[in-house]
This record gives sequence, C-alpha cells and structure tokens, in this order.
Amino acid sequence: NAGVTQTPKFQVLKTGQSMTLQCAQDMNHNSMYWYRQDPGMGLRLIYYSASEGTTDKGEVPNGYNVSRLNKREFSLRLESAAPSQTSVYFCASKKGYGSGYYEQYFGPGTRLTVT
Amino acid sequence: QQPVQSPQAVILREGEDAVINCSSSKALYSVHWYRQKHGEAPVFLMILLKGGEQKGHEKISASFNEKKQQSSLYLTASQLSYSGTYFCGTEIPGTYKYIFGTGTRLKVLA
Repeated sequence: NAGVTQTPKFQVLKTGQSMTLQCAQDMNHNSMYWYRQDPGMGLRLIYYSASEGTTDKGEVPNGYNVSRLNKREFSLRLESAAPSQTSVYFCASKKGYGSGYYEQYFGPGTRLTVT
Repeated sequence: QQPVQSPQAVILREGEDAVINCSSSKALYSVHWYRQKHGEAPVFLMILLKGGEQKGHEKISASFNEKKQQSSLYLTASQLSYSGTYFCGTEIPGTYKYIFGTGTRLKVLA
C-alpha cells in the first residue's frame, strides 16, 4: 500500500496562475481532508470530504476549490494564486467519520511558493 | 476555537520526562495526538475517547479529562527520536470538521 500520495511535491507559481494539487489514497477510506501549514505554524483545515460525494468548507476555504473525484481521489484547486497562499499543503484521509475513533493518515505534502 | 497547547516549546535532556497539555473552550468528545518531525507529515500517536477508551502506540501515554475539556500527553524517559512538534486535534461534534491545536515544539538533547 502506498497510503496517501500527493502530487506535485514542489511547485512555484506566479501570482494569478492556477493549479490543481492532487491527492489519492489506497486504503478505502471514507473521509479526506486538505490542510495548509505556514512556516512555524499549525495545521489549518481548508476543505474536507466526510464521504464520497460530499465536500465542506473548513477554517480557511477562501481562494480554494475542491473536487472529490471518487472515493480514492480528492483534489485542491487554486484558481488565481496569491503570495498569501505560499504554504505546505497536506492531504489526509481516515476510515470513518463522526465518532472521533479513527486516526488520520497524511500524505508527504506539497510545498507551494507563489511569487 | 482552536485548542490551546502548553507549553509552546520545551527542551529536554535524554531520559527526562515531559507533559504536553491541550485545552479546549468547547466540549471534547475525543482527542487525537500527532507528532510532526521537521519537514515531514504529521504521524498519529494516540486517540482518547469519552468513557476512557484509548488506542495508539504502546509506549505513549495520555489522559483525557472530559469535564475539564483537557488532555495531556506524557513522554517518559525521552529519546532523541521524540523531538518534533506535537499537535492535539479533535473532530468538532456534529460537523465532521477537524481542528488541530496550537502545537508544542519538543527538542531532546543528548
């Protein structure tokens, strides 16, 4: 099992460019999450998908969109990148939702710089 | 709304003990603990549930006080490999939204 994979690992964008971060998991998990982590800071939830077919906003959704393509894949799109979106982006997945019983498994992260 | 962790940072010598606290202003139904090493993704350590159920790594211990809305992570006989940033986290009841605490940076020196 590869677990949670993310592509690309690194990306540099110019202000105003768009891009999609890809995330896939092979653990048959129901829930998937996108976080951003600014240098020296904690993890902030951007969007999440509790189950296939549903998506909801997290703490910091402005400037982002998501697609839960199928049970395996959850992508994050930046329509018009801004320097404030320079961050490390982590995707995570977990087996279930609602009871707090399940742990999250994280991908390796995408390091994004917007100039 | 973000759980607050204390201390913000701690430095230990190998073999020393440490306690990391996580406190929430809202009701907690479960608390999760993760460790993140520099440049890496967070890794799961432990889940604590209401009613006392726990699951996680055998060498890690933690407590969960539901009434006080607090959890503590106990690191005993620390090793160099314990260095990293520790985060508590919880699923907000009724929303499926997940929120992490402010983080505690731990450094273990030889």
